[in-house]
Amino acid sequence: EAQVTQNPRYLITVTGKKLTVTCSQNMNHEYMSWYRQDPGLGLRQIYYSMNVEVTDKGDVPEGYKVSRKEKRNFPLILESPSPNQTSLYFCASSPWDSSAGYTFGSGTRLTVV
Amino acid sequence: QQQVKQSPQSLIVQKGGISIINCAYENTAFDYFPWYQQFPGKGPALLIAIRPDVSEKKEGRFTISFNKSAKQFSLHIMDSQPGDSATYFCAATDNYGQNFVFGPGTRLSVLP
Repeated sequence: EAQVTQNPRYLITVTGKKLTVTCSQNMNHEYMSWYRQDPGLGLRQIYYSMNVEVTDKGDVPEGYKVSRKEKRNFPLILESPSPNQTSLYFCASSPWDSSAGYTFGSGTRLTVV
Repeated sequence: QQQVKQSPQSLIVQKGGISIINCAYENTAFDYFPWYQQFPGKGPALLIAIRPDVSEKKEGRFTISFNKSAKQFSLHIMDSQPGDSATYFCAATDNYGQNFVFGPGTRLSVLP
């Protein structure tokens, strides 16, 4: 089944404790992206990657890091999480053909206390 | 200029009625306008999309209307069903379909 897999689905952590949210896609998509979803703000892009070893900042990159060492994986790293990073996070991927749209993962609900 | 505005924030419709969600954008370079549907606990899924060379696109009960001069587009759901209850996001992009800008979302509730 073609899909984007995120782990974990739920995570509660404490301020300052480094964490990684994994994202993997099995569709050989070139493009991958991370979004955070907050009430009233919709989906805001954190980082994106056009291909292996190519990453760039989205609209809200502060406090996040990413890497793209393999085509299928695009982990999101929070080096020192803070409570304002409590949110619902989505990984998405797409091929170069825009008409295919994004395929989103099921989301990771992160709570930082 | 990258913002996409969306209204209403929430919408309640009776079964069989028409649901209408509106979006507006400023960036005239946007050239692809998809709508995504999100059910609770799930990621958004592509519902329907349009390019500015057409004014309307219909897929089943879902229709996008596009007004290029007004920089507005809307989603119409005909014969709305309780199963359509979800959050709907409009989006836009100008870069080979990458780096979508999303609207804030509309929570639709269809009453049985």
